[in-house]
Amino acid sequence: DSGVTQTPKHLITATGQRVTLRCSPRSGDLSVYWYQQSLDQGLQFLIQYYNGEERAKGNILERFSAQQFPDLHSELNLSSLELGDSALYFCASSPWGGGAGELFFGEGSRLTVL
Amino acid sequence: AQKVTQAQTEISVVEKEDVTLDCVYETRDTTYYLFWYKQPPSGELVFLIRRNSFDEQNEISGRYSWNFQKSTSSFNFTITASQVVDSAVYFCALSEPQGAQKLVFGQGTRLTINP
Repeated sequence: DSGVTQTPKHLITATGQRVTLRCSPRSGDLSVYWYQQSLDQGLQFLIQYYNGEERAKGNILERFSAQQFPDLHSELNLSSLELGDSALYFCASSPWGGGAGELFFGEGSRLTVL
Repeated sequence: AQKVTQAQTEISVVEKEDVTLDCVYETRDTTYYLFWYKQPPSGELVFLIRRNSFDEQNEISGRYSWNFQKSTSSFNFTITASQVVDSAVYFCALSEPQGAQKLVFGQGTRLTINP
């Protein structure tokens, strides 16, 4: 158990809909990262927040947005969903804003868009 | 741009065999970090090892060992005397030490250990 909690674990929705994925980082960790794992693209970095502020952006679509709240939990919002958005979305956390320490991953939220 | 290549998509061996998972990386940075993560059938990503670019010593942890060769930009992972529980997808990843802590992952190698 990494200490990172993601909800929901599974989500099935239709094209055009909007969903919110939630992540609670390990106690004390200030950084939250979102990664997408799909068959086509593999594991891709989406976005990082550090202590409430956006720190880095990766291959995140404009239809997607994220935020980190004062209690450090984070939400990833996916809108106007397309079939290709079906993927496993991972949240990870770490104590640091930068550097190259270990990331602690949650179990992921599996999104299926029908 | 950084890139990680795991050329072996799938490997299948019989229990107790040794198996090596290959990882080749590309980066222009002189300082960087390399990682291996394991993704068992349950789906979570489990950290195995981190190695910085200045430390080329091989590392052994139980049945696991890692061979880092800067000259060939490789960071290979060997499992000795494999067990069924080692069955998983293994990812190699690369990270810059500065700035955001984002990992660039390889495509992964699916390892199946047959009894």
